[in-house]
Amino acid sequence: QKEVEQNSGPLSVPEGAIASLNCTYSDRVSQSFFWYRQYSGKSPELIMSIYSNGDKEDGRFTAQLNKASQYVSLLIRDSQPSDSATYLCAAYHWYSGGGADGLTFGKGTHLIIQP
Amino acid sequence: EAGVTQFPSHSVIEKGQTVTLRCDPISGHDNLYWYRRVMGKEIKFLLHFVKESKQDESGMPNNRFLAERTGGTYSTLKVQPAELEDSGVYFCASSQEGSGRVQYFGPGTRLTVT
Repeated sequence: QKEVEQNSGPLSVPEGAIASLNCTYSDRVSQSFFWYRQYSGKSPELIMSIYSNGDKEDGRFTAQLNKASQYVSLLIRDSQPSDSATYLCAAYHWYSGGGADGLTFGKGTHLIIQP
Repeated sequence: EAGVTQFPSHSVIEKGQTVTLRCDPISGHDNLYWYRRVMGKEIKFLLHFVKESKQDESGMPNNRFLAERTGGTYSTLKVQPAELEDSGVYFCASSQEGSGRVQYFGPGTRLTVT
């Protein structure tokens, strides 16, 4: 059973600070990882994807992957009130035969940026 | 470029009735996925199409759910007969050819079964 675990929060961070969101996964063969942002009543919106160990930076966002520890994180620098949303961590793997299944999602972390 | 679209945005039906949800993927995306989020739970995978072929429907709850993708373009998900536990938000996502590609999500259809 593949599982992705996230702290549901809420995580409250003052405006301008760094928000740190964490995620662990249980399936060692998961190969691709994604962070989606979801505003209330809206669709999940892709923020970052990461496939290799280490850090990946895009603007104010940095994704970190540690496959040995089965751990994925998302850092948001210079947090803005507009960053307040639920952040979903998702894992994806494909089989050696070339097939693939869908994303496995965590329940999401509710992030609140306090002005 | 138009994103993934879904219709209707919201549907309220009575237990035992039939509902059909529609998803139009991003043009040129061969992969189409259906997901469902039940209140308080995480988004769960239902099934995956590559063009018109079902690749994996291991997440489908039971045989009351039928998904089709005739011609490899839009897809429909029919629930017949609907039960109370089918209530939730049904998301569709699409991605380009190849495994591990980024999936882009539609706005979802909120289904309420009363």
